Amino acid sequence: EDQVTQSPEALRLQEGESSSLNCSYTVSGLRGLFWYRQDPGKGPEFLFTLYSAGEEKEKERLKATLTKKESFLHITAPKPEDSATYLCAVPGGNTPLVFGKGTRLSVIA
Amino acid sequence: KAGVTQTPRYLIKTRGQQVTLSCSPISGHRSVSWYQQTPGQGLQFLFEYFSETQRNKGNFPGRFSGRQFSNSRSEMNVSTLELGDSALYLCASSTTQDVHGETQYFGPGTRLLVL
Repeated sequence: EDQVTQSPEALRLQEGESSSLNCSYTVSGLRGLFWYRQDPGKGPEFLFTLYSAGEEKEKERLKATLTKKESFLHITAPKPEDSATYLCAVPGGNTPLVFGKGTRLSVIA
Repeated sequence: KAGVTQTPRYLIKTRGQQVTLSCSPISGHRSVSWYQQTPGQGLQFLFEYFSETQRNKGNFPGRFSGRQFSNSRSEMNVSTLELGDSALYLCASSTTQDVHGETQYFGPGTRLLVL
């Protein structure tokens, strides 16, 4: 069964304190790994797609990396506006995307 | 280019009623998927449509149904509402459904509260 697990469930950082979020997945035949950001009461906003192990993508203070079994979202020197829930997802056999439960990030000034 | 739009944004219904939610995909996108998001279960897949055909369906009861029109707009219907149907319903569109792996772009969602 396709499965995505994210950790930690919640993360509280001081402004400027770098950290990483983890996404581990079990799927037969990876066809991409997707990262989304979701603000309260809004739909997920697309951030990155990674397709092969070793691939990295960056956007402002965010960098996503991919291995054969997991992906990391590194946040460098975060700011309060980076506070959100970060979701990881992979295409499933019969579903467009299988999502993890997300990591709720709070960045305190 | 306009994003995915969903109407209505908020809805309050009572148990036993039915509800219809609407989704307009990004112009040129032919695939539409629906998800239910709750605090306990996260995002769960409901159904997927491409060219007016339902391609896949998630593990939800038959009270949940949907359809897609020739202009790619989609609707989902929930009949005989239950308290547990209270959730954020999200619609997402992508350019094609030929192969899973296309980026899905989400709308703002419809917040449904069942009393």
